[in-house]
Amino acid sequence: AQSVAQPEDQVNVAEGNPLTVKCTYSVSGNPYLFWYVQYPNRGLQFLLKYITGDNLVKGSYGFEAEFNKSQTSFHLKKPSALVSDSALYFCAVRDGGGADGLTFGKGTHLIIQP
Amino acid sequence: DAGVIQSPRHEVTEMGQEVTLRCKPISGHDYLFWYRQTMMRGLELLIYFNNNVPIDDSGMPEDRFSAKMPNASFSTLKIQPSEPRDSAVYFCASSLVGSGSFTDTQYFGPGTRLTVL
Repeated sequence: AQSVAQPEDQVNVAEGNPLTVKCTYSVSGNPYLFWYVQYPNRGLQFLLKYITGDNLVKGSYGFEAEFNKSQTSFHLKKPSALVSDSALYFCAVRDGGGADGLTFGKGTHLIIQP
Repeated sequence: DAGVIQSPRHEVTEMGQEVTLRCKPISGHDYLFWYRQTMMRGLELLIYFNNNVPIDDSGMPEDRFSAKMPNASFSTLKIQPSEPRDSAVYFCASSLVGSGSFTDTQYFGPGTRLTVL
């Protein structure tokens, strides 16, 4: 079985400061990891993914994520937060690259304060 | 590209009625997924299809739920009879796995917000 944990329900960051949204995962095989963002009353938008290769993955809107196999983590980061980054962020995992559905974390509300 | 299209965007119905949700995946994608989002349970996979064939329906909550994909450009999720606990946002997503292309990102539609009174 696979699982994802997002330990923080909410993260508050001042505009211009760096942000981190945490994610840890559990899979029996090789992890395929994803970050999605959801704005109010909207669907999920893909931000970035880790499949293989470089542990630092760059994605949309200036976001990046670092894959750490020993800590089974895939934290989302951005060097300088914008108020428009305020949204609900989901980490998701799939085992071994098969086309199974994603297992999502509970989501983290990111609030960027002006 | 129009993205994944879902209809209706909002549905309000009364308990016991039949509800049909519709999805048009991105053209050329070979996988289609149905998810449900609730406050209590978060995002859950209900069922997914590969080349129009259901592969895993273990997430379908009970026999009241059924899903079909009659062709590559259309899928339905049906609830009959509906109950208040079915109230949720239902998302459809599609992806292209193909022949090991690794372009397997799932792209989500805007969702259907279902309210069962």
